[in-house]
Amino acid sequence: DAGVIQSPRHEVTEMGQEVTLRCKPISGHDYLFWYRQTMMRGLELLIYFNNNVPIDDSGMPEDRFSAKMPNASFSTLKIQPSEPRDSAVYFCASSYGVGTEAFFGQGTRLTVV
Amino acid sequence: QQQVKQSPQSLIVQKGGISIINCAYENTAFDYFPWYQQFPGKGPALLIAIRPDVSEKKEGRFTISFNKSAKQFSLHIMDSQPGDSATYFCAPSGGYQKVTFGTGTKLQVIP
Repeated sequence: DAGVIQSPRHEVTEMGQEVTLRCKPISGHDYLFWYRQTMMRGLELLIYFNNNVPIDDSGMPEDRFSAKMPNASFSTLKIQPSEPRDSAVYFCASSYGVGTEAFFGQGTRLTVV
Repeated sequence: QQQVKQSPQSLIVQKGGISIINCAYENTAFDYFPWYQQFPGKGPALLIAIRPDVSEKKEGRFTISFNKSAKQFSLHIMDSQPGDSATYFCAPSGGYQKVTFGTGTKLQVIP
């Protein structure tokens, strides 16, 4: 398996534009996580899915953020409209289950200007 | 409410020395205690993990020590090398609780 695949690796967009981040988890993993990493706030869990169903989205900062997992091999994180304070590295991770190793993608570095 | 507290925030160790990073947690339902290592430009990757049925686990130069009563676990890096320079995160989980990462410890090993 190629591991968790995220795209794009880098995204630069203007304030107010819609941004969509994509993630392909490892095949067979039942859990998918979206994290955001910044210098100020560290690594924050935004939302996680179990068997394609969102379980906890309490970390999603506001309504501008939404995440979907239409099938077991694909998830998206959308920001609409984007703001400069959304600039961060966004990671997707997947795992077999609760209390097991999480495998992270390479991340998407988002810059909103 | 912060469930995971990691210390120190940064650490400078000479090559060959011992690096020690600590993690304190509150949720007694946690049953998986990992340490992740992150290099610049990369995602975190599992370094070593322990289950609560043992108090210590060693893998090469890396050791986890676990103190269930104190709700703490620590990472020891023996004979620290410049290649160990990275950011380390604890991320206890389990009991159907979402994974919470510690604030991270930036380790710099100087030659």
